[in-house]
Amino acid sequence: QLQLQESGPGLVKPSETLSLTCTVSGGSISSNNYYWGWLRQPPGKGLEWVGSISYSGDTYYSPSLKSRVTISLDTSKNQFSLKLSSVTAADTAVYFCAAYARRSLDYWGLGTLVTVSS
Amino acid sequence: DIQMTQSPSSLSASVGDRVTITCRASQSISSYLNWYQQKPGKAPKLLIYAASSLQSGVPPRFSGSGSGADFTLTISSLQPEDFATYYCQQSNSLPITFGQGTRLEIK
Repeated sequence: QLQLQESGPGLVKPSETLSLTCTVSGGSISSNNYYWGWLRQPPGKGLEWVGSISYSGDTYYSPSLKSRVTISLDTSKNQFSLKLSSVTAADTAVYFCAAYARRSLDYWGLGTLVTVSS
Repeated sequence: DIQMTQSPSSLSASVGDRVTITCRASQSISSYLNWYQQKPGKAPKLLIYAASSLQSGVPPRFSGSGSGADFTLTISSLQPEDFATYYCQQSNSLPITFGQGTRLEIK
């Protein structure tokens, strides 16, 4: 049973870079059984896919965020990470990491609230 | 991008009721449709994958149907723990997109 946990700063200043890490337990991020992804949910709103990375490092990003997003793997720590640059208040959201198995988001982290404010 | 539209946006129902939520895609997505339940302050939970397959551990009162562009989630007999927000999500093509959510409230 996979478990995922997000970590990172809860407050980021406008124009800076948001950085989050997802630590995976109960399975290897190098396993070809899963893809890994980030999603977000602004307060009181719906879910938005940010991007994904395969076990081999292929990345896929939301077109609306593509110019600002980087997702990467750290196989030595069994983690994957999100970087979102040039943040504004519109990037304030709960950020979730998740794992896909059969084209569905089978496992989710608890989520972490990131607020963009000076 | 494929647009996903859920209806209704909110719904009031009573324990024991049968409830149906609809999701429509802006183009055919075959059966690449998943349903999630989200409670306040929690992560979404996968209920149904591939339009009609019940995720392990999910009670059988939940069912999904449909293919192409039109899908439904049915709860056969509402239980108190089912009051939550429900989202559909297409995985036919990137970018992954979600419906806007259906908030299911107690009448």
